This record gives sequence, C-alpha cells and structure tokens, in this order.
Amino acid sequence: EADIYQTPRYLVIGTGKKITLECSQTMGHDKMYWYQQDPGMELHLIHYSYGVNSTEKGDLSSESTVSRIRTEHFPLTLESARPSHTSQYLCASSEARTSGKPRQETQYFGPGTRLLVL
Amino acid sequence: KNQVEQSPQSLIILEGKNCTLQCNYTVSPFSNLRWYKQDTGRGPVSLTIMTFSENTKSNGRYTATLDADTKQSSLHITASQLSDSASYICVVSDRGSTLGRLYFGRGTQLTVWP
Repeated sequence: EADIYQTPRYLVIGTGKKITLECSQTMGHDKMYWYQQDPGMELHLIHYSYGVNSTEKGDLSSESTVSRIRTEHFPLTLESARPSHTSQYLCASSEARTSGKPRQETQYFGPGTRLLVL
Repeated sequence: KNQVEQSPQSLIILEGKNCTLQCNYTVSPFSNLRWYKQDTGRGPVSLTIMTFSENTKSNGRYTATLDADTKQSSLHITASQLSDSASYICVVSDRGSTLGRLYFGRGTQLTVWP
C-alpha cells in the first residue's frame, strides 16, 4: 500500500463554491501528479510537479490550479466549482531519478476524491 | 497519434477460471508498458512493468506478455478469485520527454462471479 493520501474521499458541493482537494505523500517523492478520471474512461493528466515551487499543466485543460510549497503536499484548488467539474480526481507521486537510462518510474496513486458538483 | 486500446471493454468470468486481457498501443518511442489494477473507488496499483527487451513478467497469478514488434500486450489471470474483480488498465510510457509521458487505456472491467 502506497503512502499517499487524499482528502476528502467524497465531496458533494454546490455550484460556485471554492474547493481544495488535498494530496499528501510520505515517500519523499519529488514528482507529483493530478489526474482526472470519468467512469469507464482513461486517466487524463491535468497537473504535475517536479518539485517544490514547480508546477505545470498537463494534457487535459483544467480550470483548477495547484501549488507545491512543500515536497509532500500537492493541493488542487477549484475557485468556482461547476457541474462539469464532477469527476474523480486522482493524485500520484513518483521518485525522480537522475540516471540517463530510460526510467522505470512507478507512479503510486492515492485513493482518489470523488467530486459531485450540483 | 499515440494511443492505447484495450479489449474487451468488460468481462465476466466464474471464480477459478482463467482469462486474458488485451492491450494494443501505437505509442512511439516506446519506453515501458505497465498493467495496473484499479479497484472500484480506489487509485490504480501497479501489477507489472515490462521494457522493450522483456517478453513476459509474472506477479503471482498475473502474467503479462509483451510483443514490441506488433505492439501488443496481454495480461493473463490464472485461477481467478472474487478479489480480482476490478478494472485493469494498460499504461504505456514513451521516452520522448523528461516527463516520461504516460498513455492510459480505458481499462477492462473484470467481474468474477462465485
């Protein structure tokens, strides 16, 4: 079982509310990721971070924002939630390696947050 | 376009039976291929990882194969158990960027009945 945690696990909220999804890992991993997953669909990368003060947008455009002030913490924020934001949000982390060979980094996933915006 | 296609989309088998899940990919350049198991309401957990030079990799009752020439992989589950009920996701990584871009399939939803 990976040491990566997400809270809350489930969230039902009204349109227009500001929400923050928490993600923490205790493995000392430099790289962290946020994915969005709809039922029966593939995971889509929405944000990633290589380390403290480093954040990048992923492949899927998202209105959410992230921050990485501490290595172990990678929260995701929606300033104004809408029904289209209803989805499952998965956080993951992996260990950054410095080897020049193709890396076999394993991403460890948290349990996810299921968000429902009414 | 880099894609990962999985089949079947869903599968129902009886406890104790074997099954094989398929994954075809077009990702290039290829770095590695992983199979993940995702229980309902949980995050994916890595089962196996294979690089270009590996043809097969086992993890208990799970055996993955890789044919890099045809860009196909399979995951064989032996003597299925009720706890095998989950979504099995094929994930292919390229080596074209420092990020090690991951391409996810939509998964095969496996249901094991008693």
